[in-house]
Amino acid sequence: DIQMTQSPSSLSASVGDRVTITCRASQSISSYLNWYQQKPGKAPKLLIYAASSLQSGVPSRFSGSGSGTDFTLTISSLQPEDFATYYCQQSYSTLLITFGPGTKVDIK
Amino acid sequence: QVQLVQSGAEVKKPGASVKVSCKASGYTFTGYYMHWVRQAPGQGLEWMGWINPNSGGTNYAQKFQGRVTMTRDTSISTAYMELSRLRSDDTAVYYCARLIAVADEYYFDYWGQGTLVTVSS
Repeated sequence: DIQMTQSPSSLSASVGDRVTITCRASQSISSYLNWYQQKPGKAPKLLIYAASSLQSGVPSRFSGSGSGTDFTLTISSLQPEDFATYYCQQSYSTLLITFGPGTKVDIK
Repeated sequence: QVQLVQSGAEVKKPGASVKVSCKASGYTFTGYYMHWVRQAPGQGLEWMGWINPNSGGTNYAQKFQGRVTMTRDTSISTAYMELSRLRSDDTAVYYCARLIAVADEYYFDYWGQGTLVTVSS
C-alpha cells in the first residue's frame, strides 16, 4: 500500500498569509496526486489534480507542485473562506487509493 | 449539471447491514467509475472501493473485503454500497464520488452530499 503523510497536521494563520502544506508518499507516485478542501459538514472539494493542475472554478491563489514522493499545496494569500481541512490523495494506484491524514487550517 | 444525491441518514444496531444509495444525474452513469469513501466523526477520509457501472466490476479495500458489496442499477443511474456486520466503529459519513480518468489523470471531481450511518445499540 502507498502511505501518504502530511505536514503539518494543523496550522494557525492570518488572512493574507502565505500557507504551505506538504504531502509525502511512501513510494514514487509520479504526478498522481490530488488536493481536496473540506469544510465542516461538507463533502470534499477538488482543488488541484495531477499535482499542479488547477480545477476549474478554483481561485488562482491555490497552487500545487511536486512529483515523485514530495508535493506541496500553497495558498498565496489566505482568505477567510480558506479556513478548512486539506487532504492529499494519491491516484497512482486506482486499485488502492489512499488519502493523507489531513491538515487543518484555522484562524490565528 | 452533474449531481450525486445520496440516501438519508441511517441508524443501525451492531451486527446489522446498511445499504446506501447514490443517484447520479447530468452525465452518462456508465461512463465513470463510482468510488465510496467514508469519514468517521472527527477523522480523515478512508477509501472503501469502487464499482464500474458499465460492467458491474468491483474492487474493495482489503479492510472491507467480505463485508462490503457495491452494486449498481443502470436503469436508474444509481450506485449502492452495502456494509454488513456493522460495528460501532463503522459510524461515519459515507460518500460516493465520481472518478475522472482521462489522459493519465485520475481524480474525484464530484461527490455526493454524504450519508451519516450511526451504529448503536
